[in-house]
Amino acid sequence: AQKVTQAQTEISVVEKEDVTLDCVYETRDTTYYLFWYKQPPSGELVFLIRRNSFDEQNEISGRYSWNFQKSTSSFNFTITASQVVDSAVYFCALLTGGGSNYKLTFGKGTLLTVNP
Amino acid sequence: ETGVTQTPRHLVMGMTNKKSLKCEQHLGHNAMYWYKQSAKKPLELMFVYSLEERVENNSVPSRFSPECPNSSHLFLHLHTLQPEDSALYLCASSQESGTGVHFEQFFGPGTRLTVL
Repeated sequence: AQKVTQAQTEISVVEKEDVTLDCVYETRDTTYYLFWYKQPPSGELVFLIRRNSFDEQNEISGRYSWNFQKSTSSFNFTITASQVVDSAVYFCALLTGGGSNYKLTFGKGTLLTVNP
Repeated sequence: ETGVTQTPRHLVMGMTNKKSLKCEQHLGHNAMYWYKQSAKKPLELMFVYSLEERVENNSVPSRFSPECPNSSHLFLHLHTLQPEDSALYLCASSQESGTGVHFEQFFGPGTRLTVL
């Protein structure tokens, strides 16, 4: 079975704080892809990052960074010096297979509220 | 138009109506997807059209019927829906390599559907 768990339903921080959003996944496949998406109040999901199972390098993009740990099946997302515009629902997703075996599973999302 | 567009943005229909949701992608992608997003539930992948192949989620009721006339257009035909089908329906597209390499999906703004 394939599963994505985002244990934090809601997080509230004050602007300029750092915040980490957790994502834990389960799959029996050895080849898979992990994604993070942001859904602001407007509703449209915005792609943030893609990582395949063979690439455990952590990545930093501006104030965003991602920590991929295969040993703990985690793909956590950290926002440094958070801003009000970061307020959104953040989804982690796991993709395996292809063709008729295509399977994409999203976590339930974490609502991040950044207060001024 | 750029990216992924969806029409209508809002739709209210009765249980006996027949309506269609439309999605168009302007990104030159070869795969398109329908998702359902209900309150308090994870994003659910409903249908996939990838490299001319349709992948179904067998848990989707037959009152939802997808149509993909070409790689740029995707429809979701709705008939005899139930109130619990009220949700945000999101369309997405991606470029699939056909060799097991998957890339990120780009989402449209969604259609907010209310079934009375």
